[in-house]
Amino acid sequence: QQQVKQSPQSLIVQKGGISIINCAYENTAFDYFPWYQQFPGKGPALLIAIRPDVSEKKEGRFTISFNKSAKQFSLHIMDSQPGDSATYFCAASKSTGRRALTFGSGTRLQVQP
Amino acid sequence: DAMVIQNPRYQVTQFGKPVTLSCSQTLNHNVMYWYQQKSSQAPKLLFHYYDKDFNNEADTPDNFQSRRPNTSFCFLDIRSPGLGDAAMYLCAVDEGQGARNTEAFFGQGTRLTVV
Repeated sequence: QQQVKQSPQSLIVQKGGISIINCAYENTAFDYFPWYQQFPGKGPALLIAIRPDVSEKKEGRFTISFNKSAKQFSLHIMDSQPGDSATYFCAASKSTGRRALTFGSGTRLQVQP
Repeated sequence: DAMVIQNPRYQVTQFGKPVTLSCSQTLNHNVMYWYQQKSSQAPKLLFHYYDKDFNNEADTPDNFQSRRPNTSFCFLDIRSPGLGDAAMYLCAVDEGQGARNTEAFFGQGTRLTVV
């Protein structure tokens, strides 16, 4: 059973545009929602993360929007740059007990110059 | 400086020949994870250690084993690699339950090729 659903599978955005990736989760016990960025041949790296006590978190050009009632969260990349071209994974986990990350299926972002 | 170090970065092994991948960390974190990531897919958890306590995922094949001789090191053993085991293997660490910081740090991965 896939517990974190991510869309779209791939995304092409023009330089300077806004990239939006969406995720939905099922397990209401999840209370930590990170986004990871992965370049080809590299391990995932934490980009930004949010907890359910806030509805939005912004770090530079990256913003997470969180809707607890809908069990959805999204990543917005403002002023997208070619260097942002990578695969993005949303994830979810619990802060207590079993804390392993459950990943979404990934979104391959391509930012065209 | 790398905090989670995986060796080797690339490993080629023969079908059925045992192989061991290694992971070390400089963070002294309690929990170490092994994920398998196949091409264009999300990382899939194989197992994790909370200190010395080993936790196996229900669908992890018996062909995969792990050892954690101390806090810093963890090994992934594949007893009889098949062609379907070709993947990127990722090691990750975090501080564990009760820690304020829940960030998981990943290594660069080991890309395993089975010939």
